[in-house]
Amino acid sequence: DADVTQTPRNRITKTGKRIMLECSQTKGHDRMYWYRQDPGLGLRLIYYSFDVKDINKGEISDGYSVSRQAQAKFSLSLESAIPNQTALYFCATSGGGYGQPQHFGDGTRLSIL
Amino acid sequence: AQRVTQPEKLLSVFKGAPVELKCNYSYSGSPELFWYVQYSRQRLQLLLRHISRESIKGFTADLNKGETSFHLKKPFAQEEDSAMYYCALGGSTDKLIFGTGTRLQVFP
Repeated sequence: DADVTQTPRNRITKTGKRIMLECSQTKGHDRMYWYRQDPGLGLRLIYYSFDVKDINKGEISDGYSVSRQAQAKFSLSLESAIPNQTALYFCATSGGGYGQPQHFGDGTRLSIL
Repeated sequence: AQRVTQPEKLLSVFKGAPVELKCNYSYSGSPELFWYVQYSRQRLQLLLRHISRESIKGFTADLNKGETSFHLKKPFAQEEDSAMYYCALGGSTDKLIFGTGTRLQVFP
């Protein structure tokens, strides 16, 4: 589903660097989400946004920040990356409402050395 | 509190065998249940949602509120079913809680 696009797809960086992961969508959805995926832990919610003026912390927001620049764009930042933030990061969107699923991007594989 | 439990990390079967991936949930309200599938190095894709009561790729799942379960079943596994499967729970907050996933391996 190319309607949810994440950039970059892969990134290797060093401890202490600032990193931004970007997500854009053409689905017209109001709701956008950032998750990280770790082996054995499934997907955990980092931040979510229900519209441009709404930002909410998820389960594991420490060390991360987000910006909702427009309805279609939701970026995730690591202000000072650390090795345990090495993971696969997914952006998702939803139209909201009962029973509506979330639609995922291809993910960004982030490695912090 | 909302919680999703997938007790099996790995399920291995031979082609043609029946498959059941277990999912149990904890939620006090009216649950929304989903199954997502992730093929190797790909994005998560919606497989099923309980409100649709449909069969996708031969998979079905029935919501059992008495047992708080939403197990995923397929009568005859295929090699192309090998993937990671996640059960997810939604509710009134428009957020999803994911289980830790079950890796299904189907051997020829």
